[in-house]
Amino acid sequence: DAGVTQSPTHLIKTRGQQVTLRCSPKSGHDTVSWYQQALGQGPQFIFQYYEEEERQRGNFPDRFSGHQFPNYSSELNVNALLLGDSALYLCASSPDLALQETQYFGPGTRLLVL
Amino acid sequence: SQKIEQNSEALNIQEGKTATLTCNYTNYSPAYLQWYRQDPGRGPVFLLLIRENEKEKRKERLKVTFDTTLKQSLFHITASQPADSATYLCALYHQGGKLIFGQGTELSVKP
Repeated sequence: DAGVTQSPTHLIKTRGQQVTLRCSPKSGHDTVSWYQQALGQGPQFIFQYYEEEERQRGNFPDRFSGHQFPNYSSELNVNALLLGDSALYLCASSPDLALQETQYFGPGTRLLVL
Repeated sequence: SQKIEQNSEALNIQEGKTATLTCNYTNYSPAYLQWYRQDPGRGPVFLLLIRENEKEKRKERLKVTFDTTLKQSLFHITASQPADSATYLCALYHQGGKLIFGQGTELSVKP
């Protein structure tokens, strides 16, 4: 079992550009959540996808959008990048019936906006 | 809004001692509280989950307590080892599967 995988591992973009990050959940998991973690801070919830729909959203602007595919993998898109978007972006997966239990996190994608 | 606070300063202890990390929360009554370990540049790794009706949970050298009256959780690592050095995050489960994290406490265990 490969666990949660994310790509790419690192990314450098400039202000105003757009970025797409990818996540493959752990086998058997159908729910994917995305988090943003700034340096020295805890992860902050961006949104959650289940059955290809956004089910919950945190306090992030519309520049942050996502998608879930039929195979449960997911993408996070960020438009009009700002310097403050530089962070570690984490994907977490879980079975929908066990959301209150552990969530499995991927290694993250480190995004640097210059 | 919900707020979670962990020891902001790094915790430095000697190998073999017990490390105690604190997590306080306000404006919330969580049904579950979780603790994660995070190494530099890596994603968080789940350690323990404790429910609101549980006072204490143990797993090997780890122990978590949950006081819903004080709105506080304590995380203990007994017989600490240098390999325990990492950042430890507490997280509250919000309805629908959203986790609300504290800022984390960095633990350093010196040999």
